[in-house]
Amino acid sequence: GAVVSQHPSWVICKSGTSVKIECRSLDFQATTMFWYRQFPKQSLMLMATSNEGSKATYEQGVEKDKFLINHASLTLSTLTVTSAHPEDSSFYICSARENRGSYGYTFGSGTRLTVV
Amino acid sequence: DQQVKQNSPSLSVQEGRISILNCDYTNSMFDYFLWYKKYPAEGPTFLISISSIKDKNEDGRFTVFLNKSAKHLSLHIVPSQPGDSAVYFCAASVFNAGNMLTFGGGTRLMVKP
Repeated sequence: GAVVSQHPSWVICKSGTSVKIECRSLDFQATTMFWYRQFPKQSLMLMATSNEGSKATYEQGVEKDKFLINHASLTLSTLTVTSAHPEDSSFYICSARENRGSYGYTFGSGTRLTVV
Repeated sequence: DQQVKQNSPSLSVQEGRISILNCDYTNSMFDYFLWYKKYPAEGPTFLISISSIKDKNEDGRFTVFLNKSAKHLSLHIVPSQPGDSAVYFCAASVFNAGNMLTFGGGTRLMVKP
């Protein structure tokens, strides 16, 4: 089946630094990828929709300049948390859909970000 | 405004018995519903889905029921196993709206041996 690889699985960074999270579709092409954020014991909240070759679409309340999304190829989307602060500490998950019209969403394994 | 709600944050069931997880939604435009299972520090794993043209879909021990008039769906797990212990999320989408998923808050299922 479809596999989405997400790296790193966990990262600790200092406040003020930037962190890049990668999301790769390993055996399929994904024109659209989605980035979610999950706070402890809460649901997954959609942050943005990443579109290959164009700008990402951000959900209301998500800072575009804080969370930079780049979808440079059909198999790779990256989320960069810029000038990270402790409140950015969270679990970030990406997902991709295998092909248009398919509901076969596949999720990455997630990245635990801790900002100290 | 939560469009997808899972009103039970947790559920405890004895091994071998039935687990019933419930989900309610408010957006009548949703036409596809999915259930995901999630372990801590891992991404969600797809379990089962149902289209709005159906009222039931079954896959092994998992059955999803959809009641469109009540805007309610449920996931039945029979028989429940200790390995089923996880957080279960229901999600909904609108086919012509980019297929973005809207998740419920999740229900933590604990299956006791």
